Parts: sequence; C-alpha cells; structure tokens
Amino acid sequence: DQQVKQNSPSLSVQEGRISILNCDYTNSMFDYFLWYKKYPAEGPTFLISISSIKDKNEDGRFTVFLNKSAKHLSLHIVPSQPGDSAVYFCAASGNTPLVFGKGTRLSVIA
Amino acid sequence: NAGVMQNPRHLVRRRGQEARLRCSPMKGHSHVYWYRQLPEEGLKFMVYLQKENIIDESGMPKERFSAEFPKEGPSILRIQQVVRGDSAAYFCASSGQQHISGNTIYFGEGSWLTVV
Repeated sequence: DQQVKQNSPSLSVQEGRISILNCDYTNSMFDYFLWYKKYPAEGPTFLISISSIKDKNEDGRFTVFLNKSAKHLSLHIVPSQPGDSAVYFCAASGNTPLVFGKGTRLSVIA
Repeated sequence: NAGVMQNPRHLVRRRGQEARLRCSPMKGHSHVYWYRQLPEEGLKFMVYLQKENIIDESGMPKERFSAEFPKEGPSILRIQQVVRGDSAAYFCASSGQQHISGNTIYFGEGSWLTVV
C-alpha cells in the first residue's frame, strides 16, 4: 500500500519554463513533507520541506505547495535549468520514518 | 549530504556470502537511518538507530539482515547469506534530532551491492 504517490514517472520541460512535480499522500497523520533531488549513482539531496501548518514554502527557484484537504503537494521550479535534470522524490513523515514516493524523472531540455 | 560517509561505495558478493555496509553520520548527528532502493523503485525504510539502540526496525527483513550503531564507530548494516534479490543501493541518512519531529534527514552517497 503506497502511502506517498508520484503518479508521473517522468516529465520534460523546456529550459526557462516552469517545472511542476506532483505528489499525493494517503496518511492523514503525515505532518512534514520534503522533496529530495537525486542524480544517478549519488545519494538523495535535500531540496525543500514544508510543515503541515503552512501551505507554501519558497526557497529561491523552488516553491513547495501543500493542499492538506486534497492530500496533495507540488514542487514548482522556475525557471527550470538543465542542471535541474534529475529524479525528484517526495517524502512524508508523521510519527513514522520518512516514507518516499517512487520519484519523477525531470528532464530540462535546452 | 556530503557529511554522511558510506563505504564501500560498490560491493560485489557471491550468493551465500556476507555483506557489511558502513555509515558514519554527519558530525553532531546521533540518529541514523538505513534505506534501500531497488531498481525502478523509491527508497524503502529499513531501520532507525541511535547510539547502541535500535529504535525502529519495522522495515528490516526478518531474516539475514541486522544493523547496529555502537557507542564507538560507524553504523553497520549486515546482510548474511546474500541472494540476488539483495542487489540494490543502500542509503544511510542521519539527523541531529529524531526526524519525526520535523527535522530533515541527510543522506550519504550510497552503497551499491551487487550479488552474483
């Protein structure tokens, strides 16, 4: 039973445009959400997080939005750059170890 | 994530041998987590340890897998009598406080185990 779902395995975006990565969760006890970025043969790198008491958190080109009623969060990257090409994992916790989605592979095309 | 050190980066074992993966957390961190990533899958939680204590091992297979985090030295994930299905990337992460309180965990570069 997948508690964190990333329904798009891959996404292609033109350089300079906005990338929107989506994530859905089923466990209403989750209260902390994170995005990690992963390059091949490397470990996941923390990108941005959001607590359930907020609905938006911004850090430079990265913004995470949380819609608790829909149990949905999204990561916006604008403007997208070729170096953003990687696999992005959504993760959630709430009195449990971090639960990860399967990831979305983002390709930013120059 | 450069602060979490894992070794070896790559390990090849024959079926039936033992694999030992080591993890040194970031300086000042006392909480260690092990995750496994199978091909085309997300990261699956295995075990959460503090110094000398296993806090949560709900993700560990019941047999052949064990983990420890001694008072001195790195955390070790041990896989006995490896099988082909154990081939995966094993990631260690650490945090300064228990992550369920909203603290971020930081990952190492991973150890890639190949069982032949």
